[in-house]
Formats: sequence, C-alpha cells, structure tokens
Amino acid sequence: EPEVTQTPSHQVTQMGQEVILRCVPISNHLYFYWYRQILGQKVEFLVSFYNNEISEKSEIFDDQFSVERPDGSNFTLKIRSTKLEDSAMYFCASTSQAEQYFGPGTRLTVT
Amino acid sequence: QKEVEQNSGPLSVPEGAIASLNCTYSDRGSQSFFWYRQYSGKSPELIMSIYSNGDKEDGRFTAQLNKASQYVSLLIRDSQPSDSATYLCAVELTGGGNKLTFGTGTQLKVEL
Repeated sequence: EPEVTQTPSHQVTQMGQEVILRCVPISNHLYFYWYRQILGQKVEFLVSFYNNEISEKSEIFDDQFSVERPDGSNFTLKIRSTKLEDSAMYFCASTSQAEQYFGPGTRLTVT
Repeated sequence: QKEVEQNSGPLSVPEGAIASLNCTYSDRGSQSFFWYRQYSGKSPELIMSIYSNGDKEDGRFTAQLNKASQYVSLLIRDSQPSDSATYLCAVELTGGGNKLTFGTGTQLKVEL
C-alpha cells in the first residue's frame, strides 16, 4: 500500500540554524501539506501546495518558512533560522482529492 | 476563528463495549469530516471520512454526521485494548484539497 515517507525521523539543531525536512508524498497525489504538532497540543496546519505553488498558508508560516517541490517526488519544508518554539513534530500529508494521508513525521528539536 | 471541539477525556471503556467519541465544529460551511487515530508519538492515521448527513459504517467503526447541529461522532463497537489511542476529529471547509482543522483529540482507554 502506498504511503507518505519522511526523512529524517529526528532532527536536532541549534537555534538560528537552517533545517530542511523532506517528504515523499504518495505518487499519484496532487495536493501536499505540512502540519506541525507541538508536544501535548493539537495538529496545526502550516501550508498547502498544489500545482507547484502554495495554495494556502497559516499565520505560523512566516518568512522563516518555505516549501519546495524540487523534483517529481520530493516535497520539502525549510526553516531558515530555527527558534526554540519551532520544536515540534512536523507531518507531511498528501491527497488526491479529500482524504489526507500523513507521513510518520519528523521530530524537530531546537536547542 | 474556526474551531473544532472535542472532550479531551480520558474516556475509559471496558473491553467489548461501545466507545462513543464526539466532536462539534463552528464553521457551517464545512463539507468534509474525518476521524484520525493517533498513538502516542506516532502520526495521525485516517480511520473514517464522512461527507453527508447520517451514518457511515466501516467494520467496527461508525461515523455519524449532523450538519444542522454541527456535530460529528465516532462509535467503536467491540472495543479492544489496541483501540486505546487519541482520536482526532478533523474538518475541511470546501470538500477537496484544502487544509484540515483538527480538534485537540479525545484519549480513549480500553480496559481489560
């Protein structure tokens, strides 16, 4: 069964450093998303991506964040200068229509 | 502010019983409704989707939607210890391609 994959599973970085989180969505899906979940809190939408451009972004997704689909399979989230409050689980999701399927997540720890 | 509300629990049920999980949402324009299961430290796993008023059954799971009351529920029949997890209600506004708004989740504990 096709699934969304994410790498790395865990990323530790120092405050102010850049990180890139990688995702491979399900191959025939057209809509891609990033969500995050701070420990003990709810899953929050960050950004959606369709037809090679951002279709919607949340207030969290400020100028420090960017997304890219560099090739036909990968979908990346870049955080330019990480802050302590960026520590969270980051989930990639994809869909062909409505039902979104989530990857296993990347746990980002900013020290 | 578009909200999705769930009782955080924990909801404890004995093995074999029916677990009933509830969710309300504030945006009347919402079109698509989803239930996800999330084990501790893991990602959300899609269990059910429902788009029309009424009931939708899939195995031991039944989703119920009442758009007039802005209410969606999930029933789990014959609850098993492996069902112990946090159940997330998620709502999508327009019915395709858009963001999900999640509730905080209800923790379910199925006791032997």
